[in-house]
Amino acid sequence: AQSVTQLGSHVSVSEGALVLLRCNYSSSVPPYLFWYVQYPNQGLQLLLKYTTGATLVKGINGFEAEFKKSETSFHLTKPSAHMSDAAEYFCAVRGDTGGFKTIFGAGTRLFVKA
Amino acid sequence: EPEVTQTPSHQVTQMGQEVILRCVPISNHLYFYWYRQILGQKVEFLVSFYNNEISEKSEIFDDQFSVERPDGSNFTLKIRSTKLEDSAMYFCASSGWTSGDEQFFGPGTRLTVL
Repeated sequence: AQSVTQLGSHVSVSEGALVLLRCNYSSSVPPYLFWYVQYPNQGLQLLLKYTTGATLVKGINGFEAEFKKSETSFHLTKPSAHMSDAAEYFCAVRGDTGGFKTIFGAGTRLFVKA
Repeated sequence: EPEVTQTPSHQVTQMGQEVILRCVPISNHLYFYWYRQILGQKVEFLVSFYNNEISEKSEIFDDQFSVERPDGSNFTLKIRSTKLEDSAMYFCASSGWTSGDEQFFGPGTRLTVL
C-alpha cells in the first residue's frame, strides 16, 4: 500500500531563511507526487507535482522539490522564506488503483518568524 | 480561472440527521472526489466517481455515505444519519482523466454535528 511520511509536524524558520520540508513516500509503482499548501480556513492549493521526466520540479511561489527515487524522497524547498509562506503543507502520492485517489501525509505547519 | 465550488461553507446539524453537501466541479473534468479532514488531522480520501459510478472508495465510506451526480454540473455527498465523529471539513475535488492530472480542490464545507 502506498503511504507518505512527513518528517516534522512543525517547522519554524526566520524570514529570508531556507525552507526545507521533508517527505518520504512508499509506492510499489513509479509514483506521482504532489505538494499542496493550505492556508488557514482555506482549501488545498497545488504547489507542484512530479509525474515523469525532470526530477527537479519547480512550482508556484518560488517552491521546488526534487524526486529522489533511491531515497524515496520528495522534499520541498524554498531558498528564502517569506511571511506569507506560513501555512500547512501536505505531501501526497497518487494512488495506484483505478480511482486516482490522493494519499496525503500528515502535514507540516510552517511558521515564519520576522 | 475555473474552480471547484462547494455549498454550504458551514453546515451545523443534529446527530442522526441527514446532510447533503454540494459541489460543482470544473466543467470539463471527468473524475470527482470527496475527501475529509478532521480538525488537526490529515486529509483522507473518501470516494472517487467516474462515468456515473463509484470507481474507488475508502473504508471510511460506509453505507451511511452516498454520492450522486444528479445533473450535468452538481456532485453531492449525502450522509444519511450523521454521527458526532462525522464532524470535519469535507473537500470536493475534480480532475481530468489521467492519473497524473492535477486534482482541483474546492474550499470545503465545514460540517459540525451536535
